[in-house]
Amino acid sequence: EADIYQTPRYLVIGTGKKITLECSQTMGHDKMYWYQQDPGMELHLIHYSYGVNSTEKGDLSSESTVSRIRTEHFPLTLESARPSHTSQYLCASSADSYEQYFGPGTRLTVT
Amino acid sequence: DQQVKQNSPSLSVQEGRISILNCDYTNSMFDYFLWYKKYPAEGPTFLISISSIKDKNEDGRFTVFLNKSAKHLSLHIVPSQPGDSAVYFCAAREGTGANNLFFGTGTRLTVIP
Repeated sequence: EADIYQTPRYLVIGTGKKITLECSQTMGHDKMYWYQQDPGMELHLIHYSYGVNSTEKGDLSSESTVSRIRTEHFPLTLESARPSHTSQYLCASSADSYEQYFGPGTRLTVT
Repeated sequence: DQQVKQNSPSLSVQEGRISILNCDYTNSMFDYFLWYKKYPAEGPTFLISISSIKDKNEDGRFTVFLNKSAKHLSLHIVPSQPGDSAVYFCAAREGTGANNLFFGTGTRLTVIP
């Protein structure tokens, strides 16, 4: 069973605040991903990492940033939250190019 | 432009009957396809996959069929159970060096007891 964790699960925050969404996995996977999903829409890749100190932007432009200092940890940061950032954020990891294992997601609402 | 399409946003099926979920894609470079299942307030969980060199893969009650010429795949669930009620996402990979998966918008399956 996949062990990938995200905190917080739900977050309501005011415009202009800095936020960090946490993602950790205990499987030792080198590859980690952040997806954004709006209701009824497909998942869009916003960031990915192939290992420590490796981060790349995904297909969907995002104002967020990520870091990968440890294999198991892949946090996502928004320096100044805006209502347009309201969405669900899903973190995933994989050992190879096949199945990705997802965390439970963080539902972010910016008021 | 969306490369993976699930044109049916919802599907209702009686318990014990077959559920068929469909997915179409446009990118001929996709070489690996996956189905994920998602319950409310949870992340997607991997269900079953198929390589482009095959046309069928079976795992218990779940079977995925791939028709490369039609760029179409389908997920069959037999027999359907109430616990199968969830949103099902189709996903595709563009080669072994791909950075990510391309997802469809999902189909909400409701299995009626």
